[in-house]
Amino acid sequence: EVQLVESGGGLVQPGGSLRLSCAASGFTLSEYSMNWVRQAPGKGLEWVSYITSSSTTIYYADSVEGRFTISRDNAKNSLYLQMNSLRDEDTAVYYCAREEGYYGSGRYYYFDYWGQGTLVTVSS
Amino acid sequence: QSVLTQPPSASGTPGQRVTISCSGSSSNIGSNSVNWYQQLPGTAPKFFIYNNHQRPSGVPDRFSGSKSGTSASLAISGLQSEDEADYYCAAWDGSLNGWVFGGGTKLTVL
Repeated sequence: EVQLVESGGGLVQPGGSLRLSCAASGFTLSEYSMNWVRQAPGKGLEWVSYITSSSTTIYYADSVEGRFTISRDNAKNSLYLQMNSLRDEDTAVYYCAREEGYYGSGRYYYFDYWGQGTLVTVSS
Repeated sequence: QSVLTQPPSASGTPGQRVTISCSGSSSNIGSNSVNWYQQLPGTAPKFFIYNNHQRPSGVPDRFSGSKSGTSASLAISGLQSEDEADYYCAAWDGSLNGWVFGGGTKLTVL
């Protein structure tokens, strides 16, 4: 059974740092690109960051570029999000999501598995 | 403000047909496939429709997706109370180099 379990959330002051982890099981992490998606309280989904299977390509949303760093350790079946210079507006539930894709003609991609999320609260 | 535009709410009575729209641009929906995610209250999102119209196993055939140009839609026929949830559309944006989501539509079964 595919499982994604996030951890590392908590209360942090503005300007502080936090490192989120996502433990993957039930599949081979090294075969998939992964993403972080967040959801502020009572708001919609916002994509945060993307990393390919071998970490060769990484993208960030403009809202976190330069402050957040995505990484992975396939040997440890883990995905990470290092969050620095945190702001009030970073308060959200953070989900990791596995990206499945079809790479033939007419390629397409989607998030087929999501973790349960970890809450990050930035407040003084 | 979300890159993809969805109505904030939709509603219908049991058995009715409801459609949720999702509007984008040439850099996202116009050039990439659209996915839909369902989020039940207090739970993580779940993938519901992928590649514009394909349903994963377990999603009833009452749900259907379509795409035309820079817009997409999710149709639900034979509305049931358990369909009450938030629905989000999403697509890759080649100009932003990232995934973009709609703001979400809260579906209420009256």
